[in-house]
Amino acid sequence: EDQVTQSPEALRLQEGESSSLNCSYTVSGLRGLFWYRQDPGKGPEFLFTLYSAGEEKEKERLKATLTKKESFLHITAPKPEDSATYLCAVQEGSQGNLIFGKGTKLSVKP
Amino acid sequence: DTGVSQNPRHKITKRGQNVTFRCDPISEHNRLYWYRQTLGQGPEFLTYFQNEAQLEKSRLLSDRFSAERPKGSFSTLEIQRTEQGDSAMYLCASSSIRNEQFFGPGTRLTVL
Repeated sequence: EDQVTQSPEALRLQEGESSSLNCSYTVSGLRGLFWYRQDPGKGPEFLFTLYSAGEEKEKERLKATLTKKESFLHITAPKPEDSATYLCAVQEGSQGNLIFGKGTKLSVKP
Repeated sequence: DTGVSQNPRHKITKRGQNVTFRCDPISEHNRLYWYRQTLGQGPEFLTYFQNEAQLEKSRLLSDRFSAERPKGSFSTLEIQRTEQGDSAMYLCASSSIRNEQFFGPGTRLTVL
């Protein structure tokens, strides 16, 4: 049973077409929820950390929100350079490690 | 460059050989993590150090895997008697007490 589930697996958008990526989690005692961006052949690049329900964070065209059961990554007016795989991860209780979802592969066409 | 660095970036080896990877964390970070990532999957946790102490190990870390972090600085991950199933990207990350983990570029291992 997956503890972190991301949807959709893949998303194709036209440039300027806003959308949202979903991350649902089932861990108890959430310590933090993390969003990363990963380009092919590279390590994940840190984007956001969210700690409590209702928290929101923004960076350029990206906005992350958190509820008690899921997080959304909203992409406003995306550009081709936003194309990447977006990974969601949770940190549980006193554990130090992150539990990752499988990611959403985003393609933005000009 | 003050980010996490990993060496080598690519390693091709024959089945049964031993391989060793190195990770240099961000200098002020006292926590260091190793993850493994296969195609189409998110990274999977292997092990975690706080300073020189190895605090957590995943059940994925079989007896053929060993990790060290002497003096709480760089870390090495060794795989003995490699198998084809060990082929993956091995990622290292580091963090301070702020908890955000920053990843290196990874070492891609191919076992023939």
